[in-house]
Amino acid sequence: EAQVTQNPRYLITVTGKKLTVTCSQNMNHEYMSWYRQDPGLGLRQIYYSMNVEVTDKGDVPEGYKVSRKEKRNFPLILESPSPNQTSLYFCASRKGEYNEQFFGPGTRLTVL
Amino acid sequence: GDSVTQMEGPVTLSEEAFLTINCTYTATGYPSLFWYVQYPGEGLQLLLKATKADDKGSNKGFEATYRKETTSFHLEKGSVQVSDSAVYFCALSENQAGTALIFGKGTTLSVSS
Repeated sequence: EAQVTQNPRYLITVTGKKLTVTCSQNMNHEYMSWYRQDPGLGLRQIYYSMNVEVTDKGDVPEGYKVSRKEKRNFPLILESPSPNQTSLYFCASRKGEYNEQFFGPGTRLTVL
Repeated sequence: GDSVTQMEGPVTLSEEAFLTINCTYTATGYPSLFWYVQYPGEGLQLLLKATKADDKGSNKGFEATYRKETTSFHLEKGSVQVSDSAVYFCALSENQAGTALIFGKGTTLSVSS
């Protein structure tokens, strides 16, 4: 089954404790991205990657890092999480030229 | 910059009512337009899309027409069901490599029986 998977689905952590949210897709898509969803703000892009070893900032990259060492994986790293990073995070990958994106199930992160 | 504006919700309807969720956009070029749906506790799913002016996207009884003259992409359904209760997002993307989806803030639809 073609899909985007994320882990963990839920995470509660404390300020300053480094964490990684994994994202993997099995559709051989070149393009992958991370979004955060906050009430009243919709979805905003954090980082994206056009291909292996190619990453770039989205609209809200502060406090996040990413890597793209393999085509299928695109982990999101929070080196020192803060409470304002409490959010619902979605990974997505893109198919074709019209930017139809496939989304993972989401990771709900709470930073205390 | 590019932006998407959706009508604010929540929208509350009875089963079999007619649904319209308004969406207008601002873009410098000729974007593709999308409606995504998010059911409770789930990720976003593509509902329908349109890639050029006057295209009509349709799926599961939902329709939206790409209106360049009014920069709109309103979502409609003739008869909603309880199972349509979800959050609906209008989005656009310029047809360029590396371009992100730009989302509206979402409209919550609640359908009661």
